[in-house]
Amino acid sequence: GIQVEQSPPDLILQEGANSTLRCNFSDSVNNLQWFHQNPWGQLINLFYIPSGTKQNGRLSATTVATERYSLLYISSSQTTDSGVYFCAVVGTSGTYKYIFGTGTRLKVLA
Amino acid sequence: DTGVSQDPRHKITKRGQNVTFRCDPISEHNRLYWYRQTLGQGPEFLTYFQNEAQLEKSRLLSDRFSAERPKGSFSTLEIQRTEQGDSAMYLCASSLVGSEQFFGPGTRLTVL
Repeated sequence: GIQVEQSPPDLILQEGANSTLRCNFSDSVNNLQWFHQNPWGQLINLFYIPSGTKQNGRLSATTVATERYSLLYISSSQTTDSGVYFCAVVGTSGTYKYIFGTGTRLKVLA
Repeated sequence: DTGVSQDPRHKITKRGQNVTFRCDPISEHNRLYWYRQTLGQGPEFLTYFQNEAQLEKSRLLSDRFSAERPKGSFSTLEIQRTEQGDSAMYLCASSLVGSEQFFGPGTRLTVL
């Protein structure tokens, strides 16, 4: 089945710093989402981005489907950005389930 | 509409007991998914429904697990004869066909 790898696994930033999170996937995908999981376990939708570039405030994402990767950019980080960021993909084999990466654990220090 | 809801939010049970969780999806969504997440891992797919039909089940879903979506609205996930290895966060999500998934707050299960 499709494999999803995220890097880095852990990231510590000072408030105000910028960061780039990467998601590599091993096969073609129909869907791709980025999520932020807060300390209470809730998965919050950030981007639905099977291809192209999107921006939402301080966050933006780019998926290059032909090269099988997606990037999540966080600018001017805030302490509330702390948590785990997951990339999840749906393959093209007729399934509709998301395969999640192992996540990037982000801690933003005040 | 306030999004996907799950009940209960926390469940503590003793090994060998049966437990049932409920998920209410976003009202117009025809797809409903169940995932399980253990500590330090990403969510893993368990099963999904389109309307009332269960279309895919993971090998993770042993014979002790059963899920239903009887009228194509809410869904239940039952675990029979719970084991300590069943301790996890159980997440429900819903979507329209071919669209993004929205997740509920999860049910955290602890099996003693």
